[in-house]
Amino acid sequence: GAGVSQSPSNKVTEKGKDVELRCDPISGHTALYWYRQSLGQGLEFLIYFQGNSAPDKSGLPSDRFSAERTGGSVSTLTIQRTQQEDSAVYLCASSLVGTSGSTDTQYFGPGTRLTVL
Amino acid sequence: AQSVAQPEDQVNVAEGNPLTVKCTYSVSGNPYLFWYVQYPNRGLQFLLKYITGDNLVKGSYGFEAEFNKSQTSFHLKKPSALVSDSALYFCAVRDLGTNAGKSTFGDGTTLTVKP
Repeated sequence: GAGVSQSPSNKVTEKGKDVELRCDPISGHTALYWYRQSLGQGLEFLIYFQGNSAPDKSGLPSDRFSAERTGGSVSTLTIQRTQQEDSAVYLCASSLVGTSGSTDTQYFGPGTRLTVL
Repeated sequence: AQSVAQPEDQVNVAEGNPLTVKCTYSVSGNPYLFWYVQYPNRGLQFLLKYITGDNLVKGSYGFEAEFNKSQTSFHLKKPSALVSDSALYFCAVRDLGTNAGKSTFGDGTTLTVKP
């Protein structure tokens, strides 16, 4: 498909387990973002990747959260020792970055709904 | 630093009436402004954006937004609301004066259009 895809669409896990969430951005998009959205709430920025630059991790809520982007494409968000407060929808977005350095429109995936029991 | 505020958690309008969803922003440089919509159980969809040029920007589904530099606002508008417009709307800002690619999103406004 041409859009951003995320997997799994739903994940139920037990407290204390590790989870991995995957994002496949739009082909050719150099920027990739992860956000968290709690029920009925706004978007909480987590992490931003841009090309080969060091990622902006300023939004990660704790050291249990980490993300990788391999080969400038697919990204994996890992949450270790999950807690109930980690339950949320995790959204991924990608965008082009123009030659001027400006960031173009973000295109969002459908999200992964994480439930920690 | 950049920030965006959506002062209304909820907006209710009757079908056929005009609607406005408010957004104000703060940036140190020039703003790059977006509106996104999220329908129930769906991801966010891009509606429209402003970079430069005409202050009135037209987007998808008949929506438009007006950039007002003096009031640092970018309110979303539609002349005649539809029940199907009921959704969660997010305003976002990016400061073109920085090299960071990160946009800041507002907390969202829930729009309910009643028949």
